[in-house]
Amino acid sequence: GNSVTQMEGPVTLSEEAFLTINCTYTATGYPSLFWYVQYPGEGLQLLLKATKADDKGSNKGFEATYRKETTSFHLEKGSVQVSDSAVYFCALRNNAGNMLTFGGGTRLMVKP
Amino acid sequence: DTGVSQNPRHKITKRGQNVTFRCDPISEHNRLYWYRQTLGQGPEFLTYFQNEAQLEKSRLLSDRFSAERPKGSFSTLEIQRTEQGDSAMYLCASSFLSGPSAEQYFGPGTRLTVT
Repeated sequence: GNSVTQMEGPVTLSEEAFLTINCTYTATGYPSLFWYVQYPGEGLQLLLKATKADDKGSNKGFEATYRKETTSFHLEKGSVQVSDSAVYFCALRNNAGNMLTFGGGTRLMVKP
Repeated sequence: DTGVSQNPRHKITKRGQNVTFRCDPISEHNRLYWYRQTLGQGPEFLTYFQNEAQLEKSRLLSDRFSAERPKGSFSTLEIQRTEQGDSAMYLCASSFLSGPSAEQYFGPGTRLTVT
């Protein structure tokens, strides 16, 4: 079956530090890959997505590249801000299915 | 606000009671999903509808759970004879299209606490 594994948190960084949150997946076929973000007290929001191998999704300074050879979709940001503090979820959707399969989430805390 | 809305936002109930949650999707969306998120975990798929038809159910959806979308608009999720293990955040999402490009928009969730 489909599964997503992401690094456990919390990840604590100072403002302007470089961020990487690792995500690997197991799926049949060619899934679409997503990063969702959940800010404190708010619902899940789509951060970025990639629908085929080698695609790069980007939004708000965050990037992730769909790497089929390593079945990975790592999230990166060059310079984090305090406002980026949130929980980040990696997810996939198999093209044969309709539901999202999520990883366990990674809490990011950015200190001034 | 034309996003996905869920009511109530919080529900505290005693074990054995029945509870019902409501989800109002984005108006033109024909697909509606229910997920459950326990503390410290990612959301897990429960079921989804296309218009009024319930097309898929997870093994997580025991016989005590039932979901409906009677007119293809809002949906309800009912849990009968609640158990402490049902305590979780119940998330609703909707989308317009299916396939690789369809984006699911999530509501704020209903947090259920079973005492």
